[in-house]
Amino acid sequence: DGGITQSPKYLFRKEGQNVTLSCEQNLNHDAMYWYRQDPGQGLRLIYYSQIVNDFQKGDIAEGYSVSREKKESFPLTVTSAQKNPTAFYLCASSIRRGGYEQYFGPGTRLTVT
Amino acid sequence: KQEVTQIPAALSVPEGENLVLNCSFTDSAIYNLQWFRQDPGKGLTSLLLIQSSQREQTSGRLNASLDKSSGRSTLYIAASQPGDSATYLCAVRFPNNDMRFGAGTRLTVKP
Repeated sequence: DGGITQSPKYLFRKEGQNVTLSCEQNLNHDAMYWYRQDPGQGLRLIYYSQIVNDFQKGDIAEGYSVSREKKESFPLTVTSAQKNPTAFYLCASSIRRGGYEQYFGPGTRLTVT
Repeated sequence: KQEVTQIPAALSVPEGENLVLNCSFTDSAIYNLQWFRQDPGKGLTSLLLIQSSQREQTSGRLNASLDKSSGRSTLYIAASQPGDSATYLCAVRFPNNDMRFGAGTRLTVKP
């Protein structure tokens, strides 16, 4: 089955700890994205990657970091510098960046207390 | 600033009713527009993608239209069913490759 997987589904962390969210795709897509979703708001772009070993900041990159060492994987680290990290995080991919359809993973709900 | 707005934020209808969800955007020079469905606590499922050169797309009971000049898109759902209950989001791709999402319309179809 082709698709995007995110793990874990739920994640709980104490304030001040870094945490890494996993995103894997087997669609052979070049582009991958991380979004954050808060209640009553649209998705906001955190980071995107157009190709392996390349990534660019989105609209709300502060307090987050990413890596793209493999085409299939695009992990997101939420650092202690992120002021309000509790949110629903969605990973997506597309054939390439541009006007191509984006496919989404099931999401990870992060709660920081 | 490129913005996408969806009104209403929530909509409740009886089963069997035809309904229209609205999406408006501030910049008419768009690349494409995508409608998604999101069930509670889940990811987004793509429903329809309309390129800027197209006026509408259809999939089963769903029909999405695009009017760039007025900055609007509508998602028409025919003969609604309780299983259609979900949040529907639209996303607009602008020529600078930025993709902007609306906040969504939460649809409830009552049996």
